[in-house]
Amino acid sequence: KAGVTQTPRYLIKTRGQQVTLSCSPISGHRSVSWYQQTPGQGLQFLFEYFSETQRNKGNFPGRFSGRQFSNSRSEMNVSTLELGDSALYLCASSFGSGETQYFGPGTRLLVL
Amino acid sequence: DQQVKQNSPSLSVQEGRISILNCDYTNSMFDYFLWYKKYPAEGPTFLISISSIKDKNEDGRFTVFLNKSAKHLSLHIVPSQPGDSAVYFCAASSNFGNEKLTFGTGTRLTIIP
Repeated sequence: KAGVTQTPRYLIKTRGQQVTLSCSPISGHRSVSWYQQTPGQGLQFLFEYFSETQRNKGNFPGRFSGRQFSNSRSEMNVSTLELGDSALYLCASSFGSGETQYFGPGTRLLVL
Repeated sequence: DQQVKQNSPSLSVQEGRISILNCDYTNSMFDYFLWYKKYPAEGPTFLISISSIKDKNEDGRFTVFLNKSAKHLSLHIVPSQPGDSAVYFCAASSNFGNEKLTFGTGTRLTIIP
């Protein structure tokens, strides 16, 4: 069974630009969660989607948004990028009822 | 406010010995706890979990202990192997079924051959 896949793996953007990251969950998983990992703040929850609906949201500004498609694939978007948005963005999938979350390899975003 | 704390940023253990990683939490609403292992440039890999109705869960070389009164959990790895060298994160969630995980800051475990 294929694991969680994330594209792209690496990305360089400049301040003010916007970026879209993609996540394909494990087949059969309907929940997709997004996390940001930075050296200073550790792993922080961004949001979770289940059956195309945002079910949970972390404490991030509105510049961070996401969506989920009918095939459970998810995208997250960051608009008006800031230097502090440089991080590893991780996606995790699960069946969605408190089941274990499995993580993808992440997208490393560098904002210059 | 760090609701999940891993107070030891690093730990070194001889190969074959027991590794004990600790985690404390402050939110009494947490009822499900997990341990993940992370290698550089990879996403976290699930190791083991425990719900608040248990005080111990074992899976092969990995055992997690939960002390609810102390709001403390620990991960025991025995025997430790070189491949166990990685960063270990504990994570917690509340209202079992909630996908939002709160992570600790991680402990870097180094197994010395």
